[in-house]
Amino acid sequence: NAGVTQTPKFQVLKTGQSMTLQCAQDMNHNSMYWYRQDPGMGLRLIYYSASEGTTDKGEVPNGYNVSRLNKREFSLRLESAAPSQTSVYFCASSPADSVYGYTFGSGTRLTVV
Amino acid sequence: KQEVTQIPAALSVPEGENLVLNCSFTDSAIYNLQWFRQDPGKGLTSLLLIQSSQREQTSGRLNASLDKSSGRSTLYIAASQPGDSATYLCAVRPTSGTYKYIFGTGTRLKVLA
Repeated sequence: NAGVTQTPKFQVLKTGQSMTLQCAQDMNHNSMYWYRQDPGMGLRLIYYSASEGTTDKGEVPNGYNVSRLNKREFSLRLESAAPSQTSVYFCASSPADSVYGYTFGSGTRLTVV
Repeated sequence: KQEVTQIPAALSVPEGENLVLNCSFTDSAIYNLQWFRQDPGKGLTSLLLIQSSQREQTSGRLNASLDKSSGRSTLYIAASQPGDSATYLCAVRPTSGTYKYIFGTGTRLKVLA
């Protein structure tokens, strides 16, 4: 099925470990986004890529880095995981960074112990 | 700063009822508003996208309205079914700032059989 694919679906990390969350879309969308979802706080934007070759910080970028590898793929890296980064991470894509809606992936549930 | 509020946070209704979910936002300068459904442990599924120039959108038993000047949107669900049980999120896309969707914290709906 066409859409946004995230891997892995679940991950447990120890404090200080690093990992990369992968996201790929096959809809030829230009814009891609990473959000985190925490209870009572809704979804908050971490980083986004308006188009291939560009990335920008969102509302909560500290502790994260991103790479827009090509038009299809947008990865999120935690260099040194902290318990405060325990969350559900969602990747989304949009045809362009303006009037179009989002398509979301199914999420990665990350626990940092 | 744009803020999105959804009240109530949770709602239980008997099967067959028509119901209305509310979303309010503080800044009327938006490109569009999108309603999503989220099932427990799952990603977000787009339900309806309303552009700022539109008053409403319909899909099956769902109807979403937008009153941009008053900063409100409603999602109307007709003849509710147990399968409608989920969390419903609204998000607005501002015309200024980072131009990215800002989400409410959702209304958790339970439809009782």
